[in-house]
Order: sequence, then C-alpha cells, then structure tokens
Amino acid sequence: QAVVTQEPSLTVSPGGTVTLTCGSSTGAVTSRHYPYWFQQKPGQVPRTLIYDVSDKHSWTPARFSGSLLGGKAALTLSGAQPEDEAEYYCSLFYSGVGIFGGGTKLTVL
Amino acid sequence: EEQLLESGGGLVQPGGSLRLSCVASGLTFSGYGMSWVRQAPGKGLEWVSAILGSGDSTYYANSVKGRFTISRDNSKNTMYLQMNSLRAEDTAEYFCAKGRGISATAPYSWGQGTLVTVSS
Repeated sequence: QAVVTQEPSLTVSPGGTVTLTCGSSTGAVTSRHYPYWFQQKPGQVPRTLIYDVSDKHSWTPARFSGSLLGGKAALTLSGAQPEDEAEYYCSLFYSGVGIFGGGTKLTVL
Repeated sequence: EEQLLESGGGLVQPGGSLRLSCVASGLTFSGYGMSWVRQAPGKGLEWVSAILGSGDSTYYANSVKGRFTISRDNSKNTMYLQMNSLRAEDTAEYFCAKGRGISATAPYSWGQGTLVTVSS
C-alpha cells in the first residue's frame, strides 16, 4: 500500500505565503491521483478545500490554491489569516482506494 | 440543503459487530459516490471504504478489508458500513462523506460523524 507524505508542521506569518505538499511513495503525483485537500480545526468536522488538483469548493477562500509542483500535489496559501491556523490533510487515490497523508499542522504566527 | 446524518455508533466489545448508517437528504442520492472516513482520538484522518453511486463497485482500506462491508440502498437514501471482528484500533469517529459524482468517491462534503468505541 502506498504512503502519502506531508510536512508535519509549518509556520507562516500573518499575510505571508506558505506551500504545503503531498507526496506519494509510488512516484510522482499526477491528476489521476485526484489530489484533494482538507482543512480541520480542533473539534470540528473536516471540510474540503481543493479537489482534483486545483478546483475549489464553493466555500474555499480565494487565498487558497492547489497545483502539482515538483512531482507532488501542493496547497498554497497566499495572505495567511489567523483563522487559517488548522490541520491540513491531503488525499490521493490509487485505483479507487484512497489514502490520506498524515496531516500538516499550520501555525499562523 | 444537502445533509448527511450518521448513526449507529456506540460501545462494542472486541470481536463484536456494529452497523453504521448514513442517511442523505437534499440530493439525488444515487447520483453520488460515497465513502467512510474515520479519525481515531487525537489522530489523523484514515480513509476506510467507498462505494460508487450505482453500488456496483466497492473499495476498502487494507486495515478493514475482510472485516468491514460497505453497501447502500438508493431507495432509502442510505449508506451502510457493517463492521465485524472489531478491534481496539477501530475506535474512532466515523464520518460519512459524499463524492462529486456517480463515480467520484473522494470526500466532497461531510457528515458530522458517529463515535465507535471498541473496548471491554
């Protein structure tokens, strides 16, 4: 079974830019892995931010964007806000079977 | 407004069984793939299982294959997760999630979750 890797933690300054990545142990991440990104705040249900590499959910703020970068899926936050402090998870799919990354704890400080 | 409502969680002994349900409202249920995702206390998300809108195809994580069975009844707008041979490590909040289309099972919108505790 594949392993999906994310940075355990990242810190960004308010108003700053940060990129979170999502890698696969099987090789380069492509659109056929259907990369998704989720945000979860303490005590809350996860919510989907980005699907299929770069498409945004209706509630996704414009400051979030998704892409493929250097063989990985990437989530870029431009102009970080205090309310963006959260855990971020990515998921990849392998022939219908999904695997989540371990999550990135993003601190806005 | 679309809504997903899970039920069926609770306390069960190791080796026991439990069936979770997820009732969908506000959508054409058969038009969407669905999935179950769980989260152990203080841990990350773990994808568990998924089923296409037609119910023809199902998928499982290695950790639950052979023990859990996903199914759906489109006439009742309901998805199920039959969990057998439960282990302590199955203790988690179980979320029901809806995909973006009939063959898309990745979580696009989420239910509130139901807690399963496996303990003697």
